[in-house]
Formats: sequence, structure tokens, C-alpha cells
Amino acid sequence: DVKVTQSSRYLVKRTGEKVFLECVQDMDHENMFWYRQDPGLGLRLIYFSYDVKMKEKGDIPEGYSVSREKKERFSLILESASTNQTSMYLCASSPRGLAYPNEQFFGPGTRLTVL
Amino acid sequence: AQSVSQHNHHVILSEAASLELGCNYSYGGTVNLFWYVQYPGQHLQLLLKYFSGDPLVKGIKGFEAEFIKSKFSFNLRKPSVQWSDTAEYFCAVSFYGGSQGNLIFGKGTKLSVKP
Repeated sequence: DVKVTQSSRYLVKRTGEKVFLECVQDMDHENMFWYRQDPGLGLRLIYFSYDVKMKEKGDIPEGYSVSREKKERFSLILESASTNQTSMYLCASSPRGLAYPNEQFFGPGTRLTVL
Repeated sequence: AQSVSQHNHHVILSEAASLELGCNYSYGGTVNLFWYVQYPGQHLQLLLKYFSGDPLVKGIKGFEAEFIKSKFSFNLRKPSVQWSDTAEYFCAVSFYGGSQGNLIFGKGTKLSVKP
């Protein structure tokens, strides 16, 4: 079974702090994703990566950055946390599709609260 | 831009009632289609998917979905729901030639099943 793990289930930070969210997958997937999930808004893509050291902006990249130094690990960084970044953050991975994007496998999520 | 619409935000049913959740997408080309489910406190998991072939797809836990190309729809159905089906359901679509690995998600439908 594919396993996607996230470093924390719950995190509380203060405004202005730098926050790191870590994600690790164990199935050698090329693609990795960071989403945030908010009630009524569904999943919104923040950043994704289709290879080591590669990254692409998603729909809402402002206030976030990412790092992918190793294939299995994808980190989301909040440079200066703000209260409007309080949310559930989901990491996902998928194998590279030939012509179509493939099924994504999700981690359990990190519920971040910024005070 | 491609988009995915889920018509109902919150559906409330009694046990044994039949379920149909709507999903429509905006793209006229070839697509792959997915339904994901998120049970309370759990991570997103795949319920079923359609890549090609029979447009009626069977998934886990008695769910099925029908792809109707002419209507750009992929509705999720279950003949008789159980209390344990209480969850949030997300439709997702991938588009031929779409950005590396990306799925486009709907905003989700929360299903509450009354015992």
C-alpha cells in the first residue's frame, strides 16, 4: 500500500513564525502535491512538484514556498505565518501518468492553527 | 480554465435511502474521473475511478458512478446508504495533456446519514 505521512497531525504557531510542514511518501512517486482544505472551498492546490528540485505554483501559492531535495520528501514552508493560513494542509503523491494525471494518494493532513 | 462542479454542499439522508451526488466538469475533451471520500477524522481515499471502457464504474463499499460524456457528468450513486457512509465526497477530474499530475477537485459534498 502507498503510504504518505505528514510530520504533524496538529500544529499551533504564532503570527510571523516560519512554519515547516513535512511530507514523505514511500512508493517512489514522481509527483507530489500540497493542498489546503477549508470548509466550503474544497481542496485548493498550493504547489506541486513533478521531480526532485522541480516545483510549480498551484492556484494559491502566495505566502507559501516548497522544497523537494529528495524524491520521497516534499516540504511546505510558510515564511511568515498569518492567521488566514489557519487550515488543514494535505499532502499527496502520484506516479507520473503517460498522458493523463494519475490517481493521487493522500496523507492524513496537518491541522495548522496560527494565533 | 477547466472546472469541476458538485451541485450539493450538504445532503442529509436516512439510512436505507438511495444516494446520488452530482458532478459536472467543464472540459470537452478526454478525461479521467475520480471520486474520493473523506470519513470524519480520516484521510482522503479513492472510492472509484474511470479511465475508459464501461461508463458504469463500481467502487468500494457498494458505490458506483456513471460517466455520461454528453452531459459532462460523473454522478456517484449508492442504492441504500448506511450511517457509516457519513463523510465528505469529492469529485476530481484529470484532463488529457493536463498539467503534470494535476487533478481538478470539486468543492465537495458533505453527506450526513441519520440512523
